[in-house]
Amino acid sequence: GAVVSQHPSWVICKSGTSVKIECRSLDFQATTMFWYRQFPKQSLMLMATSNEGSKATYEQGVEKDKFLINHASLTLSTLTVTSAHPEDSSFYICSARQSGAINEQFFGPGTRLTVL
Amino acid sequence: RKEVEQDPGPFNVPEGATVAFNCTYSNSASQSFFWYRQDCRKEPKLLMSVYSSGNEDGRFTAQLNRASQYISLLIRDSKLSDSATYLCAVSHSNYQLIWGAGTKLIIKP
Repeated sequence: GAVVSQHPSWVICKSGTSVKIECRSLDFQATTMFWYRQFPKQSLMLMATSNEGSKATYEQGVEKDKFLINHASLTLSTLTVTSAHPEDSSFYICSARQSGAINEQFFGPGTRLTVL
Repeated sequence: RKEVEQDPGPFNVPEGATVAFNCTYSNSASQSFFWYRQDCRKEPKLLMSVYSSGNEDGRFTAQLNRASQYISLLIRDSKLSDSATYLCAVSHSNYQLIWGAGTKLIIKP
């Protein structure tokens, strides 16, 4: 149980294009999903907390107009990187917290984004 | 000062040895504690939650010291496959996890 999928697993795009990443909880309902970014040899950086049916809460320094988050259902959250630039190249990972559970988070396999 | 701190390592340990590392946290209101393992270019995977009484899972033992505000992870009889980065995570009541930067462990044959 507690499986989280992420799609795509990797993407290469041209500068200026937008990329959508999907995060799904496959066998449980997730009222809260988290989006992280991780640069090489660095720790996870929380970008935003996504709650089903409400607006995401962004961490300081994360542009909400650039990183659009939609959490339309209890099993799906999407992150759209708009007008991507090379500095947005990173490993993007989502995690989900099972409704009613303690604070464990289960991670998707991550999406490696390369912007040319 | 970071809220959750770990020695980045790397810890170079011979196969079969016992290794331990700590993670300190600064917020005394922290409620939940976890150890995750992250392999290179992969997502973190939950290794174990850390309970007040301490807990053990096979070769792994986790302990919590609330008075000194740290958690520890002990790995006995280390295997080559234990090589990874070990992340500690702490949460408060709002379910967000605060992450340490990770400790890199390298098990050598």
